[in-house]
Amino acid sequence: GDSVTQMEGPVTLSEEAFLTINCTYTATGYPSLFWYVQYPGEGLQLLLKATKADDKGSNKGFEATYRKETTSFHLEKGSVQVSDSAVYFCALSDGSSNTGKLIFGQGTTLQVKP
Amino acid sequence: GAVVSQHPSRVICKSGTSVKIECRSLDFQATTMFWYRQFPKQSLMLMATSNEGSKATYEQGVEKDKFLINHASLTLSTLTVTSAHPEDSSFYICSARDWASGGPYNEQFFGPGTRLTVL
Repeated sequence: GDSVTQMEGPVTLSEEAFLTINCTYTATGYPSLFWYVQYPGEGLQLLLKATKADDKGSNKGFEATYRKETTSFHLEKGSVQVSDSAVYFCALSDGSSNTGKLIFGQGTTLQVKP
Repeated sequence: GAVVSQHPSRVICKSGTSVKIECRSLDFQATTMFWYRQFPKQSLMLMATSNEGSKATYEQGVEKDKFLINHASLTLSTLTVTSAHPEDSSFYICSARDWASGGPYNEQFFGPGTRLTVL
């Protein structure tokens, strides 16, 4: 079945460092890809998404490009802030079924130190 | 943006009792709501998909008689954990799909979660 694999955390960075969180997926059909963020004590929020190959999603300085050839959707940010500390989830949605079901990776905790 | 609330935010109950968790979409109509379970330091596991006015669809391995889901209106879905046991202790999260953004570009709006502890 479809699945998502993320790099294990926690990832600890200093403020203004470059961030990469790897995400790869396995899917049949043509999934849409998402990154969600969960701040401490809050629900998941959509950070960015891409719906087809070569699309780049971006928001709040974060970017991810849908790479069909490598089945990847790595999250990047050029300069992280302490406020970016959170758990990041990569997810896919099977566009062909229209069920709206999301399959999540295991989540990666990011800790940014001042 | 769209807001989804959950109530209660945390609940502690005795083994053998039943617990109801509410999920509400506050400013939009949700034709579909999803219920997830999240274990510590692990991913969200989809338990069931709830469509307004119809029976929920449960994922493989999820006991439908234990986790009762009702989606009686376009803004409310409830999850009832029946005869709860300590192994049911977990973080339960709901999400709701906006009617207006249907189609393949689904965006789910997530509630803040409910921490269930069964003693």
